[in-house]
Amino acid sequence: DGGITQSPKYLFRKEGQNVTLSCEQNLNHDAMYWYRQDPGQGLRLIYYSQIVNDFQKGDIAEGYSVSREKKESFPLTVTSAQKNPTAFYLCASTGTGERGSNQPQHFGDGTRLSIL
Amino acid sequence: KQEVTQIPAALSVPEGENLVLNCSFTDSAIYNLQWFRQDPGKGLTSLLLIQSSQREQTSGRLNASLDKSSGRSTLYIAASQPGDSATYLCAVKPGPGTYKYIFGTGTRLKVLA
Repeated sequence: DGGITQSPKYLFRKEGQNVTLSCEQNLNHDAMYWYRQDPGQGLRLIYYSQIVNDFQKGDIAEGYSVSREKKESFPLTVTSAQKNPTAFYLCASTGTGERGSNQPQHFGDGTRLSIL
Repeated sequence: KQEVTQIPAALSVPEGENLVLNCSFTDSAIYNLQWFRQDPGKGLTSLLLIQSSQREQTSGRLNASLDKSSGRSTLYIAASQPGDSATYLCAVKPGPGTYKYIFGTGTRLKVLA
């Protein structure tokens, strides 16, 4: 079955530490996204990528970094510059182009990041 | 700037009731609108996607409608069941070449047995 796999499910970060969240998809989607979800708030876009080796900042990119070296993978690094990283992080993907633009957005099961 | 609102934030209904969830958006120039379900501690599951040229979409007990001129979409759930308890979110895609979706904050639904 095609889908999106996020790992780990739970992650703990120490002060001053960078941590990386994994996102892998086998849906053959070109576009991938990272969202942050806080209690009582909607999803906020951190970064998105429309194609390999290209990515764009979303609304809350400060303190985060990404890479897109392979179509299937879009890892997110939460750096020590992100002072309030405790949240639920969701990875998503969609198709692109005329047909793909009207296809549903697919999500992984999320990673919950907490501060030690 | 497009804003998406979902009211109420929480809703409790007895089992078997038909119910309507609301989604409002401020800019009628949308490409599509998607409804999602989210269970606690899980990711989002797509329920229905309505293209801008469509008025409604149906899947089983779910029916989603779209009225762009009034900036509203509704998700109708027939004969609600305790298993329908979850948070329901809507998201708007502003344009075909835009890859930024605008999400509402969701309605948390509890169906009481």
